[in-house]
Amino acid sequence: DSGVTQTPKHLITATGQRVTLRCSPRSGDLSVYWYQQSLDQGLQFLIQYYNGEERAKGNILERFSAQQFPDLHSELNLSSLELGDSALYFCASSVGDGRSGQPQHFGDGTRLSIL
Amino acid sequence: ILNVEQSPQSLHVQEGDSTNFTCSFPSSNFYALHWYRWETAKSPEALFVMTLNGDEKKKGRISATLNTKEGYSYLYIKGSQPEDSATYLCVGNNNDMRFGAGTRLTVKP
Repeated sequence: DSGVTQTPKHLITATGQRVTLRCSPRSGDLSVYWYQQSLDQGLQFLIQYYNGEERAKGNILERFSAQQFPDLHSELNLSSLELGDSALYFCASSVGDGRSGQPQHFGDGTRLSIL
Repeated sequence: ILNVEQSPQSLHVQEGDSTNFTCSFPSSNFYALHWYRWETAKSPEALFVMTLNGDEKKKGRISATLNTKEGYSYLYIKGSQPEDSATYLCVGNNNDMRFGAGTRLTVKP
């Protein structure tokens, strides 16, 4: 158990809809990272938050947004969903801001299926 | 190099063999190099994080080295066991997280 909690584990919805994925980091971790793993593809970095503020941005679509709340949990919002958004979305957390060599601890992921 | 590249893509070894993988990463704006072990149907598990040129880290039979000047890292597994079978991911932190495609290791009993 990594200590990172992601909910829900599975989500099935239709094209055009909007969903929110939730991540609770390990106790004491200030950074939260979001990743997408599409079918037959590797992990793609979406975005990182550190202590409530956006720290780094990867290949995140404009239809996607994220935030980190004062209690450090994070939400990834996906809107105007398309079939290609079907993927496994991982959240990871680390103690530091990512530049100090701290490992990331991954949650079990949320599997999103768009019908 | 703009992306993180790993080789080989896959590797099949016999139990007891020693093996190594290579990771190449951008050397500019470098903060850290991560190695993760990723088993099927599980989430990635951190093995090592290295930040300094010349860093060497070891965990049991697994070790890793880092060369930030030339932008490469090696992961070594000594005396491979079937339970080492997994995908080994290299991730470069150059102010964003860049994942290699992974090396898929299969250790045959």
